Amino acid sequence: DTEVTQTPKHLVMGMTNKKSLKCEQHMGHRAMYWYKQKAKKPPELMFVYSYEKLSINESVPSRFSPECPNSSLLNLHLHALQPEDSALYLCASSQDATYEQYFGPGTRLTVT
Amino acid sequence: SQQGEEDPQALSIQEGENATMNCSYKTSINNLQWYRQNSGRGLVHLILIRSNEREKHSGRLRVTLDTSKKSSSLLITASRAADTASYFCATDADGGFKTIFGAGTRLFVKA
Repeated sequence: DTEVTQTPKHLVMGMTNKKSLKCEQHMGHRAMYWYKQKAKKPPELMFVYSYEKLSINESVPSRFSPECPNSSLLNLHLHALQPEDSALYLCASSQDATYEQYFGPGTRLTVT
Repeated sequence: SQQGEEDPQALSIQEGENATMNCSYKTSINNLQWYRQNSGRGLVHLILIRSNEREKHSGRLRVTLDTSKKSSSLLITASRAADTASYFCATDADGGFKTIFGAGTRLFVKA
């Protein structure tokens, strides 16, 4: 199974809402990533978890809160987002650092 | 700041022609990867080339890496309409986990 799944596929939320994005992989990968991608732009790294510990936070605002409950799951908790946070949020996993990453299909987030 | 810059930004070719995309980066790397993204969807890994390799092949794909020039190229031979997508190079930084994507090349293959 070389699939990374993400739910939901689409999410519309108001600026006062709290929501969560979920990501799951069953490849035994030890690294998991969150990226943000705006239209016609490359993905931008947000967070990296290695062996279930947060190893990289790319100065992401605190309204984004990642969580790694176990080696297969990665969540991104959203609270008090701004309209400019509307984007495609991609999850990825890799065997370890410097290995190829497998991406999920993404969650299209719209903040109203 | 972005590690990788790609050119051209957009490329339109006829089916059967070859497509070449270039990527330049700024700092030393452990490896360089190429990914494909169909419109608004997840990225698909195409090929990884390590810093001690100069060329790598995978099917119709050929990737070269010149670490002295800090550049890489992706060649797609005998292109097909299904190759229409955005192509990104990605380099690692800060020990490997930090992945930085180039701006991407949008390839359009006309049938």
